[in-house]
Amino acid sequence: AQSVTQLDSHVSVSEGTPVLLRCNYSSSYSPSLFWYVQHPNKGLQLLLKYTSAATLVKGINGFEAEFKKSETSFHLTKPSAHMSDAAEYFCVVSDNLNSGYSTLTFGKGTMLLVSP
Amino acid sequence: SQTIHQWPATLVQPVGSPLSLECTVEGTSNPNLYWYRQAAGRGLQLLFYSIGIDQISSEVPQNLSASRPQDRQFILSSKKLLLSDSGFYLCACRGYNSPLHFGNGTRLTVT
Repeated sequence: AQSVTQLDSHVSVSEGTPVLLRCNYSSSYSPSLFWYVQHPNKGLQLLLKYTSAATLVKGINGFEAEFKKSETSFHLTKPSAHMSDAAEYFCVVSDNLNSGYSTLTFGKGTMLLVSP
Repeated sequence: SQTIHQWPATLVQPVGSPLSLECTVEGTSNPNLYWYRQAAGRGLQLLFYSIGIDQISSEVPQNLSASRPQDRQFILSSKKLLLSDSGFYLCACRGYNSPLHFGNGTRLTVT
């Protein structure tokens, strides 16, 4: 069984300050991990993915995440927040990316609020 | 790259009316296709997934059904909508060795 815990339902930052969105996972397999962003009334857009290559993953819009197996974490960071980053972010774990029967488990989401 | 077309973007339907939401995919063949629902204040709930034509798996018992008449077409339906069917419906697609990609969603309000 696998699970994802996004530790904060809401995170508030000021524009220009760093962003940290926390995600912990559990998985019986070597997982694939993803971060998605969702703006209001839009679909989810893939930010970045980890699939057992480099543990520091760089994504779009200046975001990156580090896979830490010892801590079972995959936190999302950005050095400097922009107003356009305000959205909801989802951490996702998959047990086997190559399998048609792989299970994807979504976190409950973290709403990022950016103030001027 | 994959492109997912989902329509309509918004829909208001009375209780008891039928529903048909359509999703088509471009840029990949034989994808896995998914329908998710996102209710207000809740996370994503997987409703159906399909690994091929006419192969549908239902994740939760409900008032909805899904069909896949063609490789890149996935339809979500209901014969009689309930108030609890209101939500944001997302179609998603995954090709071989690739992550999940989402359409822009349909906001369904049942009145």
